[in-house]
Order: sequence, then C-alpha cells, then structure tokens
Amino acid sequence: ETGVTQSPTHLIKTRGQQVTLRCSSQSGHNTVSWYQQALGQGPQFIFQYYREEENGRGNFPPRFSGLQFPNYSSELNVNALELDDSALYLCASRGGGTMNTEAFFGQGTRLTVV
Amino acid sequence: KNEVEQSPQNLTAQEGEFITINCSYSVGISALHWLQQHPGGGIVSLFMLSSGKKKHGRLIATINIQEKHSSLHITASHPRDSAVYICAVNQGAQKLVFGQGTRLTINP
Repeated sequence: ETGVTQSPTHLIKTRGQQVTLRCSSQSGHNTVSWYQQALGQGPQFIFQYYREEENGRGNFPPRFSGLQFPNYSSELNVNALELDDSALYLCASRGGGTMNTEAFFGQGTRLTVV
Repeated sequence: KNEVEQSPQNLTAQEGEFITINCSYSVGISALHWLQQHPGGGIVSLFMLSSGKKKHGRLIATINIQEKHSSLHITASHPRDSAVYICAVNQGAQKLVFGQGTRLTINP
C-alpha cells in the first residue's frame, strides 16, 4: 500500500476523444510525476508538477496536459486520443522538490484507445 | 541506445536460486532506484541508492558510481519474487529515466 491511488483502473476510449485520469497523492507530497508505460516497455516521463506548477516535461505533445491541486490530487488530460496512446499511465508522488527522495507509485490506469 | 540498460530482459530460475539483475546507465545521476512491478501494473520502490550497498531482507542492491553500474540480487528466491524489476535513475530534478525492465519468473 503506497498511499497513492489512481482512478479509474481501466478505461476504454475511442480515437479522437478526450480523457482525464486522476491521482491522489500522499498527504504532504507536493511533487507528482506522470509516466506512460507501453506494453513491454519501461515507463516514459510525461511531466512533473511541483506546488501546482509544471516544472518538467518529457517528449510528449501539448495534447498531454495536467493539473495539480492543493489537496495533493492531480490530473492527466489527453486530448484527441490516438491509438498509440493506449498504455498504462502511472503517477508517482514524493515530498520535496528534488528527485532525491523516494517516489511512491499508484497502481496505474490502463487506457485502451480503439 | 537507451540511457538505462538492464540485463537480462527475461530470467527464469528455480526456487532457491541466487538471482542477479544488472543495470548500466550512460548519464550523470544523483541516485538510482530499483522498483518492482507486479502484473496489473502497480510499482513498488525497493531501494534508492546513491552509493555503496543496501540490504532489505533477501534483497541486496549495489551501485558503482564510477562504472555507472548497479546490481539487484535476490537470495533464496521464491515464486512470489516473480515480477518485473525496473531500474530507474534520477536525471536532473524533474524526472526518472527507466530501464526497460527485467521479467523474473521463479518456478517452484
């Protein structure tokens, strides 16, 4: 039990639709990162939020966007879904603004785009 | 070439065997993580290392910063150790860079 919960656990969407995935972090964890994990691959960094501001972004297009809220929850939004967006989406939370603290991962949301 | 490379990609062993999974990286890092991922997706952090060696139960992790190499060892392996083991490195303040994972299967 990591104290990080994601919802929903599974989701099926149609190409072109929009999706919002949610993550509830541990209390006091003001940094949250989102990752995309394609089948058989390691997770890829999408972006990170620290104190409700995006402070790092991986190689993902602008249709991937996020929000972080004062209650330690966050969202990942993906617009204009493509088939290749099908993946497991993971969020990880930690305290502090640097990476040298332990990260706690959620169970992930498995998104299927058809 | 990936910045973080793991070997082997797949490993099958018998219960009780000593297991070693290797991780090499090509970038400067401030810390390295070993993670465990079970079917269904959830990831659990096993170790975070910046130097030397750490031990937790039957798991041991070592890192050699000069050689940019880390190993995860499992002693007296058990079928419940079957999972994907992922090495990830801190690159800058914003992100973890992950290896592709090692799928470990321990047969009874």
